Amino acid sequence: DAKTTQPPSMDCAEGRAANLPCNHSTISGNEYVYWYRQIHSQGPQYIIHGLKNNETNEMASLIITEDRKSSTLILPHATLRDTAVYYCIVRVGSGGSNYKLTFGKGTLLTVNP
Amino acid sequence: SAVISQKPSRDICQRGTSLTIQCQVDSQVTMMFWYRQQPGQSLTLIATANQGSEATYESGFVIDKFPISRPNLTFSTLTVSNMSPEDSSIYLCSVEGFGRSYNEQFFGPGTRLTVL
Repeated sequence: DAKTTQPPSMDCAEGRAANLPCNHSTISGNEYVYWYRQIHSQGPQYIIHGLKNNETNEMASLIITEDRKSSTLILPHATLRDTAVYYCIVRVGSGGSNYKLTFGKGTLLTVNP
Repeated sequence: SAVISQKPSRDICQRGTSLTIQCQVDSQVTMMFWYRQQPGQSLTLIATANQGSEATYESGFVIDKFPISRPNLTFSTLTVSNMSPEDSSIYLCSVEGFGRSYNEQFFGPGTRLTVL
């Protein structure tokens, strides 16, 4: 079973920041928070991951709370092409004994013009 | 990121037949995985394809139904055997463990299978 909780859907206006929350209250000390997205009919796309520090890359920022029980994915300037299902997943890093990605239902983000 | 290709991209098959899906990566990778996404559902891991040994299957999936090969570090196949309409899904391969992207898993474009 997925170890994360996400809202089923969210809306965002084009050009505005999209903030997608995720709860992972049972996360273990060696588990990372991963974010993927899946645009309709395509394979999931890796976005970002982090352990406890905030992370930023060219796609998004990941803010993890100090107690690591929740996180927020931020798309700073959402475009129509960001409309997708966003998955928050917790998992140990490569080489760990349970490295599989367990996908929940995710959040359907709809970016509106 | 790695460039991952899958063949075929889609197929329509008859009940009782088998289909082999290929996954090719442009880099040598440590791990390769196969997932299934049934219509309107999220992804479910079928198995981990192990190079040089038998695949590791998740609960609910068996080798007789989903035989997997991985002859080298860049290629794997998944066969869907004795298909029924319930096997209609998108099948995706993913890879992990290469270069500087060691903790990141990347997915192929998927194979859309329809069983009549």
